[in-house]
Amino acid sequence: AQTVTQSQPEMSVQEAETVTLSCTYDTSESDYYLFWYKQPPSRQMILVIRQEAYKQQNATENRFSVNFQKAAKSFSLKISDSQLGDAAMYFCAYRSDGANNLFFGTGTRLTVIP
Amino acid sequence: ETGVTQTPRHLVMGMTNKKSLKCEQHLGHNAMYWYKQSAKKPLELMFVYNFKEQTENNSVPSRFSPECPNSSHLFLHLHTLQPEDSALYLCASSQFTRQGVNEQYFGPGTRLTVT
Repeated sequence: AQTVTQSQPEMSVQEAETVTLSCTYDTSESDYYLFWYKQPPSRQMILVIRQEAYKQQNATENRFSVNFQKAAKSFSLKISDSQLGDAAMYFCAYRSDGANNLFFGTGTRLTVIP
Repeated sequence: ETGVTQTPRHLVMGMTNKKSLKCEQHLGHNAMYWYKQSAKKPLELMFVYNFKEQTENNSVPSRFSPECPNSSHLFLHLHTLQPEDSALYLCASSQFTRQGVNEQYFGPGTRLTVT
């Protein structure tokens, strides 16, 4: 079974600074998708960004970008110009191509310091 | 209503009670999911329905019984639960295709406490 590891239970960042959240995964497949979800205190899980494994170009969504290293099985999330509203739990997730199952990491709690 | 909605948002029940969680998606998706979120653990996929057919049951105890009457509604019927079943139960939906990103969209969850 695929496993997703987030080795940073908690991170903090100063407002307007940049922070990087780490994620590694284990798989023997070549086609898959990776996601970062954000879960603020309101609990609604929100998709932040996604990456198709067959794409070499790193995905970017406004202030959010990823560093996808397929050979290293690493998928980190970079948040630039951090805002107070970015404070939340961030979950990394993996899904095989053609499958329903999403495998999640244990999450990283991000605190944004004013 | 937009997106994925769940009711109730909070539920406290005794171990002998029977209750149901409801999920509704307004996104026109064809797949729906139940997840369990416990503290310090990854989200656990419980059930998956594709086109109203259950396709996944990840060794979930029979005290949890899902029902998917149509592609927009999903229920989780609960009976004789245990205190360790206390958790946040999340519903999600996606437009499932064999090849595609199939992003899952989540509801706000039901915080369940079993006493």
